[in-house]
Amino acid sequence: AQTVTQSQPEMSVQEAETVTLSCTYDTSENNYYLFWYKQPPSRQMILVIRQEAYKQQNATENRFSVNFQKAAKSFSLKISDSQLGDTAMYFCAVDGGIGGTSYGKLTFGQGTILTVHP
Amino acid sequence: NAGVTQTPKFRVLKTGQSMTLLCAQDMNHEYMYWYRQDPGMGLRLIHYSVGEGTTAKGEVPDGYNVSRLKKQNFLLGLESAAPSQTSVYFCASSRFNTGELFFGEGSRLTVL
Repeated sequence: AQTVTQSQPEMSVQEAETVTLSCTYDTSENNYYLFWYKQPPSRQMILVIRQEAYKQQNATENRFSVNFQKAAKSFSLKISDSQLGDTAMYFCAVDGGIGGTSYGKLTFGQGTILTVHP
Repeated sequence: NAGVTQTPKFRVLKTGQSMTLLCAQDMNHEYMYWYRQDPGMGLRLIHYSVGEGTTAKGEVPDGYNVSRLKKQNFLLGLESAAPSQTSVYFCASSRFNTGELFFGEGSRLTVL
């Protein structure tokens, strides 16, 4: 069974500063995808960033980047130049493995509530 | 663009009552999922579908049934609601089986 652990229930950061959210996971698959999803107070989940496990290069999306350490099974999210609109709960997730019968099913972590202060 | 639409958004049930949550997507996605979100537990997969007419169990399927008679719709049913089913339910869809999910806004269900 896959597991995803987010050890930081809550984080806070000042506007314009940088914050890093931690995530560790466990999977028996060799090729898989990792994700960070954002859930703002409006409740709708939005994909922030995706990382393919077979790629060594860390994914980036504008102010969002990841630090992917496959051997350590670590997948942290760095948010640069934090904005008030980044206030949300952030979920780390891993899929069931590329191809085969994973069918895009995700295992989520418990979430980290991030508050950006003005 | 509507994306993924869930109805109803809120519902209060008494123990033993039945209800159906409807999920509709207008993106022609093959894959659809129902998750539940509980405090401190993230999202857990209830059931999923890999195409019209197919359904499969996820991590926490007990007490729920689903149907996917039309490609765009995925229904989640509770035959006899229990307080343990109080939760926020999310429907999601995906074009490919790559985990890039499009979510609905969620449905908050309270079972008294």
